[in-house]
Amino acid sequence: GAGVSQSPSNKVTEKGKDVELRCDPISGHTALYWYRQSLGQGLEFLIYFQGNSAPDKSGLPSDRFSAERTGGSVSTLTIQRTQQEDSAVYLCASSGGGLNTEAFFGQGTRLTVV
Amino acid sequence: AQKVTQAQTEISVVEKEDVTLDCVYETRDTTYYLFWYKQPPSGELVFLIRRNSFDEQNEISGRYSWNFQKSTSSFNFTITASQVVDSAVYFCALNGENEKLTFGTGTRLTIIP
Repeated sequence: GAGVSQSPSNKVTEKGKDVELRCDPISGHTALYWYRQSLGQGLEFLIYFQGNSAPDKSGLPSDRFSAERTGGSVSTLTIQRTQQEDSAVYLCASSGGGLNTEAFFGQGTRLTVV
Repeated sequence: AQKVTQAQTEISVVEKEDVTLDCVYETRDTTYYLFWYKQPPSGELVFLIRRNSFDEQNEISGRYSWNFQKSTSSFNFTITASQVVDSAVYFCALNGENEKLTFGTGTRLTIIP
């Protein structure tokens, strides 16, 4: 597609359930980022994929969070046993890779844990 | 470790006034890039400008200008003759040699008509 696509746009889930959030980056982009933005807050780095390199998982807040990127394209962020504090907007971005390339963001997935 | 600090959480100015958004960064890298992004009420972040660590030439683009000073580790953003459409959250970001794009906490700018 022309831009970064995220699905679903909104997700309401019950506490304790697992959720999967999907990101479809811009075709050809080798770098993919996941961020979390809580209400009125900044962007919290979660994980970074670059090509075939091992991902930088240093931002994942707990072992309930995991992400994978299949075939160097689509990425899925999985949150297991969701908690109310997981409620936030999850943003995905992709770039051409390298320090100088800007990241293009999707519209985000708003996750609400009730 | 790298860090980006935006000390101004919220700013309100009357339309047509000039406004400067501050950004201070920390990094041990010699090569890095700095960015500004805008997040309008619709929510999608939009790239505005990038600057590399070797280029301290300031830039003006229409009503926007940027002031990069390596000596003070600052990369400030100025909007002249502000307009209501400039109301948004503005984020400063740094991409260092580990390519972990790090954002500041953002500054919410409100332009009052």
